[in-house]
Amino acid sequence: QKEVEQNSGPLSVPEGAIASLNCTYSDRGSQSFFWYRQYSGKSPELIMFIYSNGDKEDGRFTAQLNKASQYVSLLIRDSQPSDSATYLCAGYFGNEKLTFGTGTRLTIIP
Amino acid sequence: EAGVTQSPTHLIKTRGQQATLRCSPISGHTSVYWYQQALGLGLQFLLWYDEGEERNRGNFPPRFSGRQFPNYSSELNVNALELEDSALYLCASTPTSGGSPGTQYFGPGTRLLVL
Repeated sequence: QKEVEQNSGPLSVPEGAIASLNCTYSDRGSQSFFWYRQYSGKSPELIMFIYSNGDKEDGRFTAQLNKASQYVSLLIRDSQPSDSATYLCAGYFGNEKLTFGTGTRLTIIP
Repeated sequence: EAGVTQSPTHLIKTRGQQATLRCSPISGHTSVYWYQQALGLGLQFLLWYDEGEERNRGNFPPRFSGRQFPNYSSELNVNALELEDSALYLCASTPTSGGSPGTQYFGPGTRLLVL
C-alpha cells in the first residue's frame, strides 16, 4: 500500500514568516509529487509539482524533494493571511492515480 | 474557459437509496477522476475514467460505480447508501491520458448527506 503522510496540524505561522509543510511517503519507486491548496469549503487547486530531487521555486513557494529520505516539503515565504488553508500533498507512484495525504491545516496569524 | 462542473451541489438521501452524481470536465480534457473526501480522511481515490473506459478504481465496494459518456462527462452512482457514504465527492479532469495524472483540475464537489 503506497502511502503519503502529513501532519494534520494545525500549523500556525506569523504573517511574514516562512511556513514549512512536510510530507513523507512509503514507496521508493515514487515518481512525482504535487501540492494542492484547499480553502475551507472549496475544492483543491494545484500549487506546484516536483519530479526531481532538489528544490523548485515558484514565486513565494518552494517545493523540495528528497527521494533518498522519502520526504517532500513546501515552503511558503512571506506568509500572508490568504495562505491560510489546508495543504494536500499527493504522490504519483506510477499506478495511474494520485495518492493524497490527509492534509495540513495552515493558519497565518496577522 | 469553463472549469470542471458538478451537479448537484448538495444531495440528501436516506440509507439504502441510490445517489447519482454528475461531472463535466474542462473542454478538451478526456480523463475524469472521482474522489471521496470524508471528514478527517483526506481525498480517497474512487475511480478514473478515460476515453469512455474505467482505467482504475480505488478500494471501494462495487456499489460505487460510474461511467463516462462520449462527450467525456461522467456519472458516479452509489447504490445502497450507507451513513458513512456522507462526504464531499470531488471530480477532477486532466487534459490527456498516459501522462502524469497529477495536474488535476477539480470541480466544486457534491456534498452528499445520508440520513
